[in-house]
Amino acid sequence: AQKITQTQPGMFVQEKEAVTLDCTYDTSDQSYGLFWYKQPSSGEMIFLIYQGSYDEQNATEGRYSLNFQKARKSANLVISASQLGDSAMYFCAMSPGETGGFKTIFGAGTRLFVKA
Amino acid sequence: DGGITQSPKYLFRKEGQNVTLSCEQNLNHDAMYWYRQDPGQGLRLIYYSQIVNDFQKGDIAEGYSVSREKKESFPLTVTSAQKNPTAFYLCASSRQGVYGYTFGSGTRLTVV
Repeated sequence: AQKITQTQPGMFVQEKEAVTLDCTYDTSDQSYGLFWYKQPSSGEMIFLIYQGSYDEQNATEGRYSLNFQKARKSANLVISASQLGDSAMYFCAMSPGETGGFKTIFGAGTRLFVKA
Repeated sequence: DGGITQSPKYLFRKEGQNVTLSCEQNLNHDAMYWYRQDPGQGLRLIYYSQIVNDFQKGDIAEGYSVSREKKESFPLTVTSAQKNPTAFYLCASSRQGVYGYTFGSGTRLTVV
């Protein structure tokens, strides 16, 4: 069965510093997609970044990058130059197939606190 | 602007009553999803629909029902058979070949 594990319930980071949020996954599929979402206190989930299992380069989107280590089954999110607005819950997710299709599963989340 | 609208934002229900949560999208997305979120937990899939008039059960479908009569709409009914319905419900949509979901702002359901 597929599983996503986020071992950090909460993280603190100083404003303008970088932070890494951990995510490990378990799947027997050869093809899968990995995602990170942000959930501010308003509740809406915001898609941040995507990595396909066959992508050899780590995905980047602005200040977000995904550190993909396939052999270790990890997909850590790195946020550079943290901002106060980055304070939120962050969820790692995985879908069967590369296009983020049906039955995406989510981890339990990591709450990030950015300190001024 | 295109997006997903969930209503109401807050909903209170008495035990034994059915209640329907609304989800409407104007993104022309084919697929729509309902997830449930409990405190300290990730999202769990309730139902999903790939096309109109078709839907499949997710991991926790018991006590819930859905319909997909229009591409834009995917309402979720929480029935009295759902033993612990108090939760935050999120609706999402996606387009084939496009990565990631677009989510609505959620409905917080409380059973009183």
